[in-house]
Amino acid sequence: DAGVIQSPRHEVTEMGQEVTLRCKPISGHNSLFWYRQTMMRGLELLIYFNNNVPIDDSGMPEDRFSAKMPNASFSTLKIQPSEPRDSAVYFCASSSRDRGSHEQYFGPGTRLTVT
Amino acid sequence: QQQVKQSPQSLIVQKGGISIINCAYENTAFDYFPWYQQFPGKGPALLIAIRPDVSEKKEGRFTISFNKSAKQFSLHIMDSQPGDSATYFCAASGRGSTLGRLYFGRGTQLTVWP
Repeated sequence: DAGVIQSPRHEVTEMGQEVTLRCKPISGHNSLFWYRQTMMRGLELLIYFNNNVPIDDSGMPEDRFSAKMPNASFSTLKIQPSEPRDSAVYFCASSSRDRGSHEQYFGPGTRLTVT
Repeated sequence: QQQVKQSPQSLIVQKGGISIINCAYENTAFDYFPWYQQFPGKGPALLIAIRPDVSEKKEGRFTISFNKSAKQFSLHIMDSQPGDSATYFCAASGRGSTLGRLYFGRGTQLTVWP
């Protein structure tokens, strides 16, 4: 099993540019979570999906952030336009509710730097 | 509002010592309490977890102690090693509509000196 796959691993962009982060969850998992980690705020849940449907997006900072899950094996988190305060490590995690497990498997993260 | 409160923010322990990290929660609907370990440049990974029907769970040098009446739980790392240096997160999850969502504490950065 390859685990949760995220791309790119590092992204450096200029303020105002669009940024798209990608995630491939573990095959068979039906829940997917996007987190943001910063020194100031710790690990924040941005949005999560169950069976490809967004369940709770209350953690999305503002309208500049959007997330999609077009199918069970792919999700994107888009920031448009990006701002320096969006600089953080973004993690995707997946889990399988059907097996009664709460364990979330995290990807390696995408380190985003907005200059 | 932080659903799970974690302390201390950072911890320095000598090799061979005991590391203790504490967490508290308010929501009595929580019924699953995991600890995650994160090394620099990596995503968090599940270390050990407990459900409220037991007061303690031990896996090797790692032990969770759970106090349901006080709504507190803690991670004890016995014989701490330099390789245990990492950030530790406690978390909690409940039944029903939360659909597996984990509420994480702010994290504790543990440094074990050789």
